[in-house]
Amino acid sequence: AQKVTQAQTEISVVEKEDVTLDCVYETRDTTYYLFWYKQPPSGELVFLIRRNSFDEQNEISGRYSWNFQKSTSSFNFTITASQVVDSAVYFCALNTPSGSARQLTFGSGTQLTVLP
Amino acid sequence: ETGVTQTPRHLVMGMTNKKSLKCEQHLGHNAMYWYKQSAKKPLELMFVYNFKEQTENNSVPSRFSPECPNSSHLFLHLHTLQPEDSALYLCASSQDLASGITSYEQYFGPGTRLTVT
Repeated sequence: AQKVTQAQTEISVVEKEDVTLDCVYETRDTTYYLFWYKQPPSGELVFLIRRNSFDEQNEISGRYSWNFQKSTSSFNFTITASQVVDSAVYFCALNTPSGSARQLTFGSGTQLTVLP
Repeated sequence: ETGVTQTPRHLVMGMTNKKSLKCEQHLGHNAMYWYKQSAKKPLELMFVYNFKEQTENNSVPSRFSPECPNSSHLFLHLHTLQPEDSALYLCASSQDLASGITSYEQYFGPGTRLTVT
C-alpha cells in the first residue's frame, strides 16, 4: 500500500522567514516518484517538482529547495525568504509502478500562510 | 489558451438536474484525469483516460459519467447528484505512459466548484 503523510495541517510564518514543509511517504516499491504541487486560492494545482527514487541529490530552484532522504522516507520542501505570494496549500504526492501507473497518491496538504 | 482549461468555474445544481463539466488541454498530452477534492479530504482520483480509452474508474458512482471524445477534451456528465457530491472537480493531463515509462507529472486545470442543493 502507498501512503503520503503531511503532518503539518497549517503553518503560518512572517514574510522573509524560511519555512519547511514535511512529507513522509510509505511504499514497498524500490522504484517510485515523488511530487510537490502548489494550490493557490485560484484552485489549480501547480506542478513544482518530480523526483525519482534513484536520484537522492537535493535540488534547489530559486527560493525553493527539496531534501530527499530515502533513509527516513522523507521528501521535505523548504521555501527560503518566504513571500506573501507563497501562501497556498502544498501537496506532496507519490506514484509507484505497482499501483496504477497513472495514480498519484496525495497527502492531505499543508496550508501555508505568509503574513506581511 | 494554454495549459488545461475547465468550464464552468462554478456550478450550482439541484439534485434532479443534469449538467456537464468540460475540460480541455492544450499541451499535446494523451492522458486525462478527473479528480474530486472535498473539504478536509485528500484528492480522490475518479477516472483516467489514455488515448481516449478509459483505463481507471475508482469505484465512482454511476451518477458521474465521463466522456473523452479525443485526447484534448474530457467531459464529466452529472445527473441526480447528492449534496455530498459538492466539491472542487479538477481535471488534469499528462503525457501518455509508453512502455517502460511509469510516471509523468500531471498538469491541472483550475477546477469547477460544484454545489449541489
